[in-house]
Amino acid sequence: AQKITQTQPGMFVQEKEAVTLDCTYDTSDQSYGLFWYKQPSSGEMIFLIYQGSYDEQNATEGRYSLNFQKARKSANLVISASQLGDSAMYFCAMSTNPGNTPLVFGKGTRLSVIA
Amino acid sequence: EPEVTQTPSHQVTQMGQEVILRCVPISNHLYFYWYRQILGQKVEFLVSFYNNEISEKSEIFDDQFSVERPDGSNFTLKIRSTKLEDSAMYFCASSPLAGEHSNSYEQYFGPGTRLTVT
Repeated sequence: AQKITQTQPGMFVQEKEAVTLDCTYDTSDQSYGLFWYKQPSSGEMIFLIYQGSYDEQNATEGRYSLNFQKARKSANLVISASQLGDSAMYFCAMSTNPGNTPLVFGKGTRLSVIA
Repeated sequence: EPEVTQTPSHQVTQMGQEVILRCVPISNHLYFYWYRQILGQKVEFLVSFYNNEISEKSEIFDDQFSVERPDGSNFTLKIRSTKLEDSAMYFCASSPLAGEHSNSYEQYFGPGTRLTVT
């Protein structure tokens, strides 16, 4: 069974600063994918970034990067140059091979960006 | 950019009533999912659907729930007799066949339907 743990229920960051949101995972599968989704107060789920277990380089998408440490089973999200619009819930999730399998989500971290 | 759509955005129903939540997945996607999120909690998987049949379901997806793809575009979730604890945000998601592109595992979420059972 897979499990995602997000230990930070809430985080604060100053505008323009970088912030790291923690995520650890547990799985016995060798091949898996890790995801981060953003959920603003309006409720929709916005895909941010994906990391495959066999990807050698950390994934990056604009201001988002994923600090993937396979041996530690961690997949932390780094947001650089925080903006007020980054205030939201952030969910870490994973899915395993083969193909398209259900996502398992963590409990989320609420990020508040302060001006 | 193609997107997953869901209707209605908000549904209020009385306990014991049947509800049908509708979703239109992205047109060339082959895998479809329903998730739910009780207020303030994490997103939970309900059911996945592929090739016109359920491919996987969670313990939450009991006999009160059913899914259907009545035509080539819609994907529905039916709750036969709603309970107070069914109040939640319900998300539909879809994904393409694995391997088509680098983010083949990405699931595209719809905006959700907020179900309120009174």
